[in-house]
Amino acid sequence: DGGITQSPKYLFRKEGQNVTLSCEQNLNHDAMYWYRQDPGQGLRLIYYSQIVNDFQKGDIAEGYSVSREKKESFPLTVTSAQKNPTAFYLCASRDFGGTGELFFGEGSRLTVL
Amino acid sequence: EDKVVQSPLSLVVHEGDTVTLNCSYEVTNFRSLLWYKQEKKAPTFLFMLTSSGIEKKSGRLSSILDKKELFSILNITATQTGDSAIYLCAAIYNNDMRFGAGTRLTVKP
Repeated sequence: DGGITQSPKYLFRKEGQNVTLSCEQNLNHDAMYWYRQDPGQGLRLIYYSQIVNDFQKGDIAEGYSVSREKKESFPLTVTSAQKNPTAFYLCASRDFGGTGELFFGEGSRLTVL
Repeated sequence: EDKVVQSPLSLVVHEGDTVTLNCSYEVTNFRSLLWYKQEKKAPTFLFMLTSSGIEKKSGRLSSILDKKELFSILNITATQTGDSAIYLCAAIYNNDMRFGAGTRLTVKP
């Protein structure tokens, strides 16, 4: 089935460690996005990519990094520079040529101990 | 600066009430507006609105877009406890999209 797969679903990390969240899509979508969501809040854009080997900062990119080496994959690294990394992270993708609807993964919940 | 603003940010109602959620936008080259419902995990798609004045309906939910006044509303009639969620709107413009902060709706029995 086509869709977006995020892993891991739950992740615990010690302060000072980097962690990488995986996002893979087999929808052949051009654009991919990473959002952060804090409890009871909306979605805040971290990074997005519209084509392979290119990505742009969103509203809260500090302390995060991404890569887009393949169309299907858009991993997010939460670095030790991110001051408050505990949050729910959502990956999404969409096709510019289609309806424009955003398709979401199931999310990754990161807890920093 | 492009922005999407939702109001209210939080709303508490009782079962059976009707609610109206608002989403206003200021973006360049607007294309369409999307509504999502988010319960525990990933948001689920509700509506996509591209044309002004055409109401979209799905059961007790309906939505309409006003491209002149740059806003959309999401109506929920005869609310149920299962409607409790965060409702997100997003504007698609150029090749970008931007979410509002969301409205947290709580429906009490």
